Amino acid sequence: DARVTQTPRHKVTEMGQEVTMRCQPILGHNTVFWYRQTMMQGLELLAYFRNRAPLDDSGMPKDRFSAEMPDATLATLKIQPSEPRDSAVYFCASGGGGRNNEQFFGPGTRLTVL
Amino acid sequence: AQTVTQSQPEMSVQEAETVTLSCTYDTSENNYYLFWYKQPPSRQMILVIRQEAYKQQNATENRFSVNFQKAAKSFSLKISDSQLGDTAMYFCAFMKPPSGDMRFGAGTRLTVKP
Repeated sequence: DARVTQTPRHKVTEMGQEVTMRCQPILGHNTVFWYRQTMMQGLELLAYFRNRAPLDDSGMPKDRFSAEMPDATLATLKIQPSEPRDSAVYFCASGGGGRNNEQFFGPGTRLTVL
Repeated sequence: AQTVTQSQPEMSVQEAETVTLSCTYDTSENNYYLFWYKQPPSRQMILVIRQEAYKQQNATENRFSVNFQKAAKSFSLKISDSQLGDTAMYFCAFMKPPSGDMRFGAGTRLTVKP
């Protein structure tokens, strides 16, 4: 049963610490998206990749956030240093492109920065 | 930039009844995709239904159907024979191919009452 996996599912950390979230897209999917969900802002697109190349990261605070795809089976989102306002649920989604353009979401990482 | 508006923050419906969730969007594009996603308390984002803008026929998936009015830029979701398991947040989303960049509305919290 193909699905997007994300680790960790929950993360509690202190302000100033580095946080790394990982995503394994569905095998064969060539597009990966990172979203952030908060009560105030809703679902926001942070960045996305196609064929491992970053296409758009304009939604991401550049000074502390970075997103990479070291290989086709792993996408990472890193926050350094973390701040309380980064507390949110971070979703990864993958898509195979084509006509359907459907995105399959992972279960999310709930991040709490104290 | 495309914007998606869901004007109903919360709605409720009696089990077995029909409910319609509203969504409007703003775009100058002619070719795009529209989606409804469901997010139950588990936080998992689940695709409910998809509509291609070039198709005039409204999409249907079992108890779920849409009323797509392209000229009015309206994309409402109708849920027939509501079930308790339909209780969730529902997000309307707009996507312009081929980027896959998806923009979400603020969501409508639907409660199905027994």
